[in-house]
Amino acid sequence: KAGVTQTPRYLIKTRGQQVTLSCSPISGHRSVSWYQQTPGQGLQFLFEYFSETQRNKGNFPGRFSGRQFSNSRSEMNVSTLELGDSALYLCASSSTGTGRAFFGQGTRLTVV
Amino acid sequence: DQQVKQNSPSLSVQEGRISILNCDYTNSMFDYFLWYKKYPAEGPTFLISISSIKDKNEDGRFTVFLNKSAKHLSLHIVPSQPGDSAVYFCAAIGFGNEKLTFGTGTRLTIIP
Repeated sequence: KAGVTQTPRYLIKTRGQQVTLSCSPISGHRSVSWYQQTPGQGLQFLFEYFSETQRNKGNFPGRFSGRQFSNSRSEMNVSTLELGDSALYLCASSSTGTGRAFFGQGTRLTVV
Repeated sequence: DQQVKQNSPSLSVQEGRISILNCDYTNSMFDYFLWYKKYPAEGPTFLISISSIKDKNEDGRFTVFLNKSAKHLSLHIVPSQPGDSAVYFCAAIGFGNEKLTFGTGTRLTIIP
């Protein structure tokens, strides 16, 4: 089985721009979650999608949004980028409801 | 509020000895507790988990202990091997969702 695939791996954007990150989950997994990792805040939950519906949302501003398609692939979008959005963005897919998630390698976003 | 806490940012252990990583939580509604291992530039990898109704789970060299009254869990690795050097994250989920709440991580270094 192929693992969780995130694209692109690296991204450099300018303040004020927007960005879209993509995630392909493990085949058969219907839940896709997104996390932000920064040195200061650790791993923070952004949101979770299940069967194309947002099921959970973390404490991030509305500039952060996401969606899930019928094939379970997911995208997250960040608008009006700020320097503080520089982070590793991780996507995880799961199927069991026990927290055992499979993570992708992440997208390293740098905002300059 | 930090619902899952790892108070030791780093730990060094000699090869062959036992490594003990600790984690405290505040939310008594958590249903599952998990440990993830992370290498640089990679996503976290699931290591071991424990249900809130159990007090111990073992998988090879890894054992997780849960003390619900103290809201504390620990991961024991024995014997420790050089390949165990990584950042270890404690995480928890509530019933019926896939939202992982992570601790801030402990960097484990195994000294040959």
